[in-house]
Amino acid sequence: EIVMTQSPATLSVSPGERATLSCRASQSVSSNLAWYQQKPGQAPRLLIYDASTRATGFPARFSGSGSGTEFTLTISSLQSEDFAVYYCQQYNNWPPLTFGGGTKVEIK
Amino acid sequence: QVQLVQSGAEVKKPGASVKVSCKASGYTFTSYYMHWVRQAPGQGLEWMGFIYPSGGSTTYAQKFQGRLTITRDTSTSTVYMELISLRYEDTAVYYCATGNPALDYWGQGTLVTVSS
Repeated sequence: EIVMTQSPATLSVSPGERATLSCRASQSVSSNLAWYQQKPGQAPRLLIYDASTRATGFPARFSGSGSGTEFTLTISSLQSEDFAVYYCQQYNNWPPLTFGGGTKVEIK
Repeated sequence: QVQLVQSGAEVKKPGASVKVSCKASGYTFTSYYMHWVRQAPGQGLEWMGFIYPSGGSTTYAQKFQGRLTITRDTSTSTVYMELISLRYEDTAVYYCATGNPALDYWGQGTLVTVSS
């Protein structure tokens, strides 16, 4: 089973600042990685797939990069609606699908 | 548009079973895997298993082997998740989700509370 590790667990950022979230896989997942955004009381929402392709409805300030075992989600200028928990998930070697533990982006 | 609509919240006693439904619409039901993912209070996402609606084949996470059954009814485009021998730690929101294989669409979630 591929273990996904996200860091940091919590990221405190001021509105307008840049946020950089990391996700590491225990073995290569190629580019078969997704990011999800989850707000309180809501289901997760697909944000990025194939490591760098933005899903429908998300603005260009969200970008994903990386391949193999190291991945990054960048939010270039945080808006109020971006404060949420972000999860990475690999789908290169499944089942099982595996998720990282999440990074909470909170207001500084 | 794609919609996954789940059944309502449940309260069960330890040792009981629960069956949650997920009705799909807006796409070809038999063409995409349907997964179940759960989230305990304040915790992260945990993949439980999936069904391929076309043939009904299933795969479950090791952790749930023997306790989890996922079935489907193609006539109503509905997938069911049944978890037996419930424990307090099964208290969670249960989501159905579909995609290929990134999970594009999610149900609204069903809270299952295990309490005596």
